[in-house]
Amino acid sequence: SAVISQKPSRDICQRGTSLTIQCQVDSQVTMMFWYRQQPGQSLTLIATANQGSEATYESGFVIDKFPISRPNLTFSTLTVSNMSPEDSSIYLCSVETRYEQYFGPGTRLTVT
Amino acid sequence: GENVEQHPSTLSVQEGDSAVIKCTYSDSASNYFPWYKQELGKGPQLIIDIRSNVGEKKDQRIAVTLNKTAKHFSLHITETQPEDSAVYFCAALAAKGTYKYIFGTGTRLKVLA
Repeated sequence: SAVISQKPSRDICQRGTSLTIQCQVDSQVTMMFWYRQQPGQSLTLIATANQGSEATYESGFVIDKFPISRPNLTFSTLTVSNMSPEDSSIYLCSVETRYEQYFGPGTRLTVT
Repeated sequence: GENVEQHPSTLSVQEGDSAVIKCTYSDSASNYFPWYKQELGKGPQLIIDIRSNVGEKKDQRIAVTLNKTAKHFSLHITETQPEDSAVYFCAALAAKGTYKYIFGTGTRLKVLA
């Protein structure tokens, strides 16, 4: 398994601003993922982040809105840019290890 | 595209009874099916998984069954306890080598004491 931490755990932000979410893993992993979970909904994959390469974004998500960094095998960041109330969600980091996927505790974002 | 349907959306059972949650997937190439439990305010936790080369897997009070022909898999929880109350998500690995998971819509399980 993998132990994943995220910072911040929650935040309330003004529209038009940006927030960077950090994800730290206790072991080196190749595959890291960022998901969005809107209130009461399922998980939607935003992008896949591999160390040393550009993130791969899913349909409906673009790099200008959700830039991702992956500087090493234990860390990644997701920025939610130019936020609007529609960006209010839980953002989850996850990792793939030994063909199993594990999730962080999530960052609960509210945009006012 | 790939899709995973999950039923029911909500499920209430008496403590000690069994709970069954069912999922159907569309991609016949899917070969890995995990189940996650998400408690309020927490991230999803992997509780059990099954690969396409087996039909059933058990772990204490939890079991998962897979029918590849019908493309459906189910989570069975026996002797339910109040701490089993949570949202449960099924998922299917979309295609070999992609590491992309398709998640079901979730089942809110309430175990009544």
